[in-house]
Amino acid sequence: QQPVQSPQAVILREGEDAVINCSSSKALYSVHWYRQKHGEAPVFLMILLKGGEQKGHEKISASFNEKKQQSSLYLTASQLSYSGTYFCGTGSNFGNEKLTFGTGTRLTIIP
Amino acid sequence: EAGVAQSPRYKIIEKRQSVAFWCNPISGHATLYWYQQILGQGPKLLIQFQNNGVVDDSQLPKDRFSAERLKGVDSTLKIQPAKLEDSAVYLCASSLVSGQGIGYTFGSGTRLTVV
Repeated sequence: QQPVQSPQAVILREGEDAVINCSSSKALYSVHWYRQKHGEAPVFLMILLKGGEQKGHEKISASFNEKKQQSSLYLTASQLSYSGTYFCGTGSNFGNEKLTFGTGTRLTIIP
Repeated sequence: EAGVAQSPRYKIIEKRQSVAFWCNPISGHATLYWYQQILGQGPKLLIQFQNNGVVDDSQLPKDRFSAERLKGVDSTLKIQPAKLEDSAVYLCASSLVSGQGIGYTFGSGTRLTVV
């Protein structure tokens, strides 16, 4: 079953913060986050493994709650370059990074 | 390092015709995936290779789709015969190993339009 992301779409002004949620009906071992700009390939942002860790680089961070089978992506002080569609990809098996991608969240940053 | 190479970039065919896509992963990447992305949706896994062996092809419509990865490097995905609902972007991705907490690198994809 495909992970459900919320919100489906969001429009922000430059400098505002955003949270994107990813919820799965299956037990998870890992969660990946990717950003895809229109007409381009998805680009890897970060991965979180079972253990409830939080990760981040620059102004983008993420958390993973494996008990709730949920992950959240946090974008702080958003920049125009953050625009795109964000996908979570979930993996259920240790030793195999086969991913099931979520429904996607379209983020638009306006000046 | 060079990225994941895919060709062709675009392809338009009539229904019932056949088509093939090619992927060259990043050198040394053992795991290769083919995903289908229909407009407005997330990528859907078609097949996963580990070196030249198939790990998972449970979602590959085997009556019309086939894929191979000879010598554990390049891979081709074929559709024969194509249907209108096959119109999508076909993405190839590779990773160094599977299950080690390493992200995918995607190619630019092949946009297929079936008319």
